[in-house]
Amino acid sequence: SQQGEEDPQALSIQEGENATMNCSYKTSINNLQWYRQNSGRGLVHLILIRSNEREKHSGRLRVTLDTSKKSSSLLITASRAADTASYFCATDGPGSGTYKYIFGTGTRLKVLA
Amino acid sequence: DVKVTQSSRYLVKRTGEKVFLECVQDMDHENMFWYRQDPGLGLRLIYFSYDVKMKEKGDIPEGYSVSREKKERFSLILESASTNQTSMYLCASSPLGVRAWGEKLFFGSGTQLSVL
Repeated sequence: SQQGEEDPQALSIQEGENATMNCSYKTSINNLQWYRQNSGRGLVHLILIRSNEREKHSGRLRVTLDTSKKSSSLLITASRAADTASYFCATDGPGSGTYKYIFGTGTRLKVLA
Repeated sequence: DVKVTQSSRYLVKRTGEKVFLECVQDMDHENMFWYRQDPGLGLRLIYFSYDVKMKEKGDIPEGYSVSREKKERFSLILESASTNQTSMYLCASSPLGVRAWGEKLFFGSGTQLSVL
């Protein structure tokens, strides 16, 4: 079952522009994470936001979380060609006592130089 | 830095073969995970383990088994490989942590398995 669904599926922007991608999920969560994947490689953790937090920053990244709407957004400011990658949200699945992290289908970002 | 190492980057096997995918982490993490990644479907959890010899099924365990005899090593086994198991397989680990706070996953580089 897919807990997180990213939107849009693909995004193409010019270098220097901002990129925004969204994630929606279905059940209550304790935390939500964003990961990046360069083509054909493993995922790299970007940022974690807990359910009692509304916004978090890390360098050029800004993540928001709206638990009432069950959604999160990732904003990359002043994008660079090196930001070209797929971005995934991951949530700790419903229930307690387990450590299942469920990933969405991802947003493919292409930053044009 | 945490290192999660998957034994093979590319693997080609024949239908019916028994396939072992190995994953080793060097940071004494309690949790280890196996995902498969397919275009349009994202990452789907196959199995995870929160301790030596402990395992739990993920969302798509059919056709797979796992083994965790040592804390640092988590193996994924395809008992009889089939063509629909052609996929990218990703191993990940994380510390135990406090569940409500969340812990980030550290991923290996992946194994692209082709079953012919």
